[in-house]
Amino acid sequence: AQSVTQLDSQVPVFEEAPVELRCNYSSSVSVYLFWYVQYPNQGLQLLLKYLSGSTLVKGINGFEAEFNKSQTSFHLRKPSVHISDTAEYFCAVSQYNFNKFYFGSGTKLNVKP
Amino acid sequence: NAGVTQTPKFQVLKTGQSMTLQCAQDMNHEYMSWYRQDPGMGLRLIHYSVGAGITDQGEVPNGYNVSRSTTEDFPLRLLSAAPSQTSVYFCASSYSVSGSKFHEQYFGPGTRLTVT
Repeated sequence: AQSVTQLDSQVPVFEEAPVELRCNYSSSVSVYLFWYVQYPNQGLQLLLKYLSGSTLVKGINGFEAEFNKSQTSFHLRKPSVHISDTAEYFCAVSQYNFNKFYFGSGTKLNVKP
Repeated sequence: NAGVTQTPKFQVLKTGQSMTLQCAQDMNHEYMSWYRQDPGMGLRLIHYSVGAGITDQGEVPNGYNVSRSTTEDFPLRLLSAAPSQTSVYFCASSYSVSGSKFHEQYFGPGTRLTVT
């Protein structure tokens, strides 16, 4: 079975500082990778996805992520965060030819003024 | 398009009661799934379906039933509610471009269930 590890449960950061949210997955086969954001009391919204091609993926709201196959990682980055980025972020994986998505436990990003 | 809709938004049940959480999507997606979200545990897959008439179990299926009679609807039934089923439930749908390689999921707004 797949597993997805988000190493940090909470990340506090000051406004306009850069941030990296880490995600590692376990898989011996090719995968699709996703980052979702959840604002308080809302559903999940797709930030970005990696299906194939360039390993650097750009998403909405200035976020980007880099797929590193050798390290089985898909870390999310933003060069300058805003207060409005305060939310919980989930990394997710789906395997080729399997019908299940696996989610990490989430990272709460708290942006302080 | 309304996307993925879920009803009700909130529900309180007594232990032993049964109920159905409704989920519908209008995007003609083949894939639909149910998750529960609990603090510190991310989203855990309860059941999923890759098309009308086809369902399968996820990580935490016990205490829940599903059926998929149409492409649009994927209801989740709690057979005999227990306090351990207090959670936020999300329905999601997805599509494939070719074969069974499914792309990103679209999520509903969630149902907050409390079992007393």
